[in-house]
Amino acid sequence: QSVLTQPPSASGTPGQRVTISCSGSNSNIGSNYVYWYQQLPGTAPKLLIYRNNQRPSGVPDRFSGSKSGTSASLAISGLRSEDEADYSCAAWDDSLSGVIFGGGTKLTVL
Amino acid sequence: QVQLVESGGGLVKPGGSLRLSCAASGFTFSDYYMSWIRQAPGKGLEWVSYISNSGSTIYYADSVKGRFTISRDNAKNSLYLQMNSLRAEDTAVYYCARTLGRISSSWYFDYWGQGTLVTVSS
Repeated sequence: QSVLTQPPSASGTPGQRVTISCSGSNSNIGSNYVYWYQQLPGTAPKLLIYRNNQRPSGVPDRFSGSKSGTSASLAISGLRSEDEADYSCAAWDDSLSGVIFGGGTKLTVL
Repeated sequence: QVQLVESGGGLVKPGGSLRLSCAASGFTFSDYYMSWIRQAPGKGLEWVSYISNSGSTIYYADSVKGRFTISRDNAKNSLYLQMNSLRAEDTAVYYCARTLGRISSSWYFDYWGQGTLVTVSS
C-alpha cells in the first residue's frame, strides 16, 4: 500500500476537465513539493508537473497542478484521447527519508 | 537529446545477483544527480537509490539497503546498480532517471530510461 493515496481509476470524455487527487500527510505533501508523472501505455514515466504547479517545457497548459495542506491535485482540461495514461504523484517523505509515489491513477478517455 | 538506456536485466534465482547499467548521452553526465526507480508488475513506482554527481552522496530505500549498491563512472557516462541477495519482491522494471533538486526534499526526475526487467524466480 502506497504512502500517497490516489484513486485507482478516473475517466472522462473528450473535451472534459478531469481531476486526479493525491492524499498524503504532514511528513510528505504537507511539508514538501509535489510532482506528477505521466506514463503512457508501455512507456517510461514522463515528468508532467514539478514543484506543485510548474510545467516543464513542452507540457501543454491543459495540465495543471495544485496543493492544499496534505493533498494535491492534477487537473487536465480539454481532455484528449492521447491523455489516456497512468498518472502518479510523488513527494519527499521526511519520516522515511526518501521519495514516495502514489499508487497511480489510470485515466480512461471514453 | 537526453537519452538513458538501461541494460543488464534478466531472470535470476532468489539469493542471486545482477548488475544493471544505464548509459547516458545528450547531456553532461557528470553535472547531474542520478537515481534508480523500479515498478513491480501492476504496481506503482518505488524510488530505490540516489547518487550525487560526484558519487560522494548516496541514499537507499530501506527495502534495498544493505543489498543494493549504486555507483557511477563519469568518464564512461554510466550509472550502475549492483543487486545482491535478490528476493522475489525485487521483481520489477528498473528505470534510471536524471535527478534534479539541490536538496533531497526537492528531488524529482526529469528524464527516464525505458527500463530493464528484473525477474527473481526459482
